[in-house]
Amino acid sequence: GAVVSQHPSWVICKSGTSVKIECRSLDFQATTMFWYRQFPKQSLMLMATSNEGSKATYEQGVEKDKFLINHASLTLSTLTVTSAHPEDSSFYICSAHNRDSSYEQYFGPGTRLTVT
Amino acid sequence: AQKVTQAQTEISVVEKEDVTLDCVYETRDTTYYLFWYKQPPSGELVFLIRRNSFDEQNEISGRYSWNFQKSTSSFNFTITASQVVDSAVYFCAHLSWSSASKIIFGSGTRLSIRP
Repeated sequence: GAVVSQHPSWVICKSGTSVKIECRSLDFQATTMFWYRQFPKQSLMLMATSNEGSKATYEQGVEKDKFLINHASLTLSTLTVTSAHPEDSSFYICSAHNRDSSYEQYFGPGTRLTVT
Repeated sequence: AQKVTQAQTEISVVEKEDVTLDCVYETRDTTYYLFWYKQPPSGELVFLIRRNSFDEQNEISGRYSWNFQKSTSSFNFTITASQVVDSAVYFCAHLSWSSASKIIFGSGTRLSIRP
């Protein structure tokens, strides 16, 4: 089956620093990847759509300068949380859309970010 | 715009009881997909089922069954003879052709199975 990995699985960083999270599709090509954020006991909220070779599309209310997304290849998208603050602490999940299917999407295992 | 409603925030039942998790969706699209995911404490989403809008057949997989009714825009999920390992948060989700493959999640139902 299709596999999506995320790295790191968890990270602790100090307030004001930046942290990069990687999302990789391991055995298929993904022209589109999605980034979600999940606060404790809440649902997954879509943050942005990452398209290979073009700028990401951000959902309303998500600061594009704070959450930098780069989709440099068909198998890798990165999310960089810049100048992180404690309120950015959350569970970040990516999903990758199989470009050969209209609906197949596979989710990564998530990255737990804690900002101290 | 698409919307998924899971009115049950938390459900607690005793092991071996049957339990149904409700899901109601809103969409203007005629072609769409509905999903159920399980999220155990580890956080990783576990895919359970996908249904397209043209297939209203109910599905059974072991102790799990799903009832899709377009007339009421519902896609309910039943666990028969529940087990402690079924304890998790369950999300219903929706994807439509017109939404650029965005999956929209419901708020989730936290299911606790007591031994």
